[in-house]
Amino acid sequence: AQSVTQPDIHITVSEGASLELRCNYSYGATPYLFWYVQSPGQGLQLLLKYFSGDTLVQGIKGFEAEFKRSQSSFNLRKPSVHWSDAAEYFCAVGAGTPFGFQKLVFGTGTRLLVSP
Amino acid sequence: EPEVTQTPSHQVTQMGQEVILRCVPISNHLYFYWYRQILGQKVEFLVSFYNNEISEKSEIFDDQFSVERPDGSNFTLKIRSTKLEDSAMYFCASRGQSYEQYFGPGTRLTVT
Repeated sequence: AQSVTQPDIHITVSEGASLELRCNYSYGATPYLFWYVQSPGQGLQLLLKYFSGDTLVQGIKGFEAEFKRSQSSFNLRKPSVHWSDAAEYFCAVGAGTPFGFQKLVFGTGTRLLVSP
Repeated sequence: EPEVTQTPSHQVTQMGQEVILRCVPISNHLYFYWYRQILGQKVEFLVSFYNNEISEKSEIFDDQFSVERPDGSNFTLKIRSTKLEDSAMYFCASRGQSYEQYFGPGTRLTVT
């Protein structure tokens, strides 16, 4: 069965410092991978996605993620964190046929705290 | 920019009552989903809907749950007889021909 692991429940980063959030997935076929961000009281906003091709993908708000098949990972990075990045970040894998219904299987999330 | 909307933002109901959560997906999208997030837990898939029928449902989505697209714009989730454990944030999502799912802001359901 498909699964996603986000090993860090909380991460605290100083404003201006770099960030890396870890995500490992388990999926038998070619994964469709996503990162979503959830600010307090808000819905889920798509940050970026990987379907195929270049393994380094760029997203909104200056985020990027790198797909590493050999490590079954899709880590999220940002070179310089802003206080407004404080939120919960969810990694997800699209499970299902590529042209099918693709339910999302989510990890447990990582809460990012940004210190001054 | 088109977005998914959900109403109400917060619903309080008594155990055993029926609730209907409403969603307006992005207008040209074809695939519709409901997910839920119990406080402090991960987001879980409930059901997907395409071409006016359920395409997949999870173990959570038992006979107490139903979905409907009553007209060309709304997508609803009905819980017939709510239980305390149904208290959660319910998210609607939709997608078009690409693989990205766009989520609404959620409805917080509180069952007392």
